[in-house]
Amino acid sequence: DGGITQSPKYLFRKEGQNVTLSCEQNLNHDAMYWYRQDPGQGLRLIYYSQIVNDFQKGDIAEGYSVSREKKESFPLTVTSAQKNPTAFYLCASSIQGSGNQPQHFGDGTRLSIL
Amino acid sequence: GQSLEQPSEVTAVEGAIVQINCTYQTSGFYGLSWYQQHDGGAPTFLSYNGLDGLEETGRFSSFLSRSDSYGYLLLQELQMKDSASYFCAVRVRPDNYGQNFVFGPGTRLSVLP
Repeated sequence: DGGITQSPKYLFRKEGQNVTLSCEQNLNHDAMYWYRQDPGQGLRLIYYSQIVNDFQKGDIAEGYSVSREKKESFPLTVTSAQKNPTAFYLCASSIQGSGNQPQHFGDGTRLSIL
Repeated sequence: GQSLEQPSEVTAVEGAIVQINCTYQTSGFYGLSWYQQHDGGAPTFLSYNGLDGLEETGRFSSFLSRSDSYGYLLLQELQMKDSASYFCAVRVRPDNYGQNFVFGPGTRLSVLP
């Protein structure tokens, strides 16, 4: 079955450490997205990519970095510059350019500070 | 800036009908979507409106008025399993580069027996 796989499900970060969250999709979607969700809040866009080797900052990109070397993969690195990283991180993908095509989400990664 | 507003909570009983409103202020608008998210889970797509009017998908309907920057999700014949958070999301095209989505804060629906 096609879908989006995020790993790990839970992740703990020490002070000063960078951590990388994995996102892989086999839906053949061009567009991929990373969101952050805090408890009881909506989704806020961190980064998005419309095509391989290209990506754009979202609303809260500071302290995060991404790469898009393959169509299937869009890893997110939470750097030590992100001082409040504890949140639920969601990766999504969609068909490019068609508004009625939904975003498909992974099951998310919960990141906490040790 | 971009902002969407939704009521924070709605409560209804099984079998009832509930409407969740969404108003938006965005620079550019290319459609309004609705997503459902159960606690601890991933959002799942419910409905999309690109043009004014009503879209119906089973027990769920969604409405859009672009002139009012307003939409709503209508849930009929409520079931306990409908207890979840519901998010509206506007598709935008920043600087005509691709597309991304701005999400509302979410409405928590509690369905009572």
